[in-house]
Amino acid sequence: NAGVTQTPKFRILKIGQSMTLQCAQDMNHNYMYWYRQDPGMGLKLIYYSVGAGITDKGEVPNGYNVSRSTTEDFPLRLELAAPSQTSVYFCASTGVPGELFFGEGSRLTVL
Amino acid sequence: KQEVTQIPAALSVPEGENLVLNCSFTDSAIYNLQWFRQDPGKGLTSLLLIQSSQREQTSGRLNASLDKSSGRSTLYIAASQPGDSATYLCAVRLNTGNQFYFGTGTSLTVIP
Repeated sequence: NAGVTQTPKFRILKIGQSMTLQCAQDMNHNYMYWYRQDPGMGLKLIYYSVGAGITDKGEVPNGYNVSRSTTEDFPLRLELAAPSQTSVYFCASTGVPGELFFGEGSRLTVL
Repeated sequence: KQEVTQIPAALSVPEGENLVLNCSFTDSAIYNLQWFRQDPGKGLTSLLLIQSSQREQTSGRLNASLDKSSGRSTLYIAASQPGDSATYLCAVRLNTGNQFYFGTGTSLTVIP
């Protein structure tokens, strides 16, 4: 059972570079989410999607973009990386009856 | 906006003790409430999911209760073990909207 798969697990970026964090789920879930977690802080919602072709902003969307072309995949793109984007990023998904499942996380450092 | 609070932020107990973790929320119109465990450097693992119509859920040594009217949920851990050491988070989903609201967690240390 793969569940929610995130790649890469670790990445170091230079300021101004761009990259895409990949997220895939094999549970046929309609709802998918991207969160960031900073040390000692709670989870902050970046973007979410309620189905293919539909995305919406969360609490902290600036500096990020998403797309949802298929039910399975929900990539998060970082444009012009900044040190403030150093964080651990989690992808999650849910369907019926509403249990939320998380990936293992992607640890990003921007230098 | 739903506010979710977990107190205390940290808890240290001797092995074998029974303990209770608390989760409070401000909007009682919830769809469900979920408890997670997070080990250092790892993702969140689902422990228990309580639907709005339920009062409690049990899994092994874990029991979670839900009282919507008072805006509270508790996670009871029986006979704690060092392997229970982790951060425990609760998350609430409302009847309206598609977002989950997380507490900041309780860091539990079980001392052998």
